[in-house]
Amino acid sequence: EPEVTQTPSHQVTQMGQEVILRCVPISNHLYFYWYRQILGQKVEFLVSFYNNEISEKSEIFDDQFSVERPDGSNFTLKIRSTKLEDSAMYFCASSSDRVSYNEQFFGPGTRLTVL
Amino acid sequence: AQSVAQPEDQVNVAEGNPLTVKCTYSVSGNPYLFWYVQYPNRGLQFLLKYITGDNLVKGSYGFEAEFNKSQTSFHLKKPSALVSDSALYFCAVRDGGSQGNLIFGKGTKLSVKP
Repeated sequence: EPEVTQTPSHQVTQMGQEVILRCVPISNHLYFYWYRQILGQKVEFLVSFYNNEISEKSEIFDDQFSVERPDGSNFTLKIRSTKLEDSAMYFCASSSDRVSYNEQFFGPGTRLTVL
Repeated sequence: AQSVAQPEDQVNVAEGNPLTVKCTYSVSGNPYLFWYVQYPNRGLQFLLKYITGDNLVKGSYGFEAEFNKSQTSFHLKKPSALVSDSALYFCAVRDGGSQGNLIFGKGTKLSVKP
């Protein structure tokens, strides 16, 4: 069964450093998403991406964040200068289309720890 | 604003007993409702969804959910719980008019004891 994969599973970084979280969506999917979950809190939407551009983004997704699809398979989330409050589990998801009732398929997550 | 509430942080059930994990929602348009499950060190796995039609929706692993429009609820149920059902369960909603992002509840930890 196809699945979304994410690397690394755990990333530890110093405050102010740049991090890149990587995702490989399901191969025939066209819509990609990043969510995050701060420990003990809700899963929160960050950004959606289609056709090489951002479709929608939340208030969390400020200028420190960027997303990219550098090739035909990877989908990345970059945090330019990490802050302590960026520590969270980051989930990538993909879906075959943008129809509201189609489910999104999630990866296992990357746990980001900012020291 | 759209929102989802899962009022219970944890639900404890004995194996073989029925289980219910509660979810209520608030959206401005027609709700599309989803349940996901998360096992340790795994991603969120889709269980079931409600789009329209029959209020009782059946999903994976014997789970079902009942949509109640008047109570704005979408409770997850299973007639007979298994120890292997122990996991974190998330309810999510998507506004039918939105571009696609999911709004999640905070999650409910289900613990099934033998």
